[in-house]
Amino acid sequence: DVKVTQSSRYLVKRTGEKVFLECVQDMDHENMFWYRQDPGLGLRLIYFSYDVKMKEKGDIPEGYSVSREKKERFSLILESASTNQTSMYLCASRTTGVDYGYTFGSGTRLTVV
Amino acid sequence: KNQVEQSPQSLIILEGKNCTLQCNYTVSPFSNLRWYKQDTGRGPVSLTIMTFSENTKSNGRYTATLDADTKQSSLHITASQLSDSASYICVVSPGIPGGNKLTFGTGTQLKVEL
Repeated sequence: DVKVTQSSRYLVKRTGEKVFLECVQDMDHENMFWYRQDPGLGLRLIYFSYDVKMKEKGDIPEGYSVSREKKERFSLILESASTNQTSMYLCASRTTGVDYGYTFGSGTRLTVV
Repeated sequence: KNQVEQSPQSLIILEGKNCTLQCNYTVSPFSNLRWYKQDTGRGPVSLTIMTFSENTKSNGRYTATLDADTKQSSLHITASQLSDSASYICVVSPGIPGGNKLTFGTGTQLKVEL
């Protein structure tokens, strides 16, 4: 089974801190994604990457950046955390091909105080 | 604007009963539609995926249907169990070139009680 591992289940950070969320997948997928999930809003795409060192903005990239130095690892960076970035963050990876087999990590619940 | 709407927002049923969750979408062009189950505090897990040419897909007690003409899908759960308590999310994938930007519904929160 494909595994997508997010390094932290829960994080509490202070306003203004730089925050790193790490995601690793073990199936050599080209495509990786970062979403945030908020009640009543569904999942919203922050950034995605279709190859090493490649990245594209999703629907809500403001306040975030990403890094993909190795194929298996995709990092989400909050340059200066703010309270409105308190959320559940989900990483996903995808096969290429018709069925677009997305696999999600277990999520990181980030609280910014 | 691409949208996915799910109903009901929440649902409570007794163990052993069946239920049906609805999903209507406006995504066009359309590539495929997925149903995910998300347990509280966990990431979504795929239940079914259907392309526009498929009408039904089963995964154990879960059966999804798709009507691409009316842009409607449903997820039917048979003989519910307590472990079915979760949020069920409908996700639509656009046809290329928008292929990496999924549109997510906000989910139906299902609670199965004794």
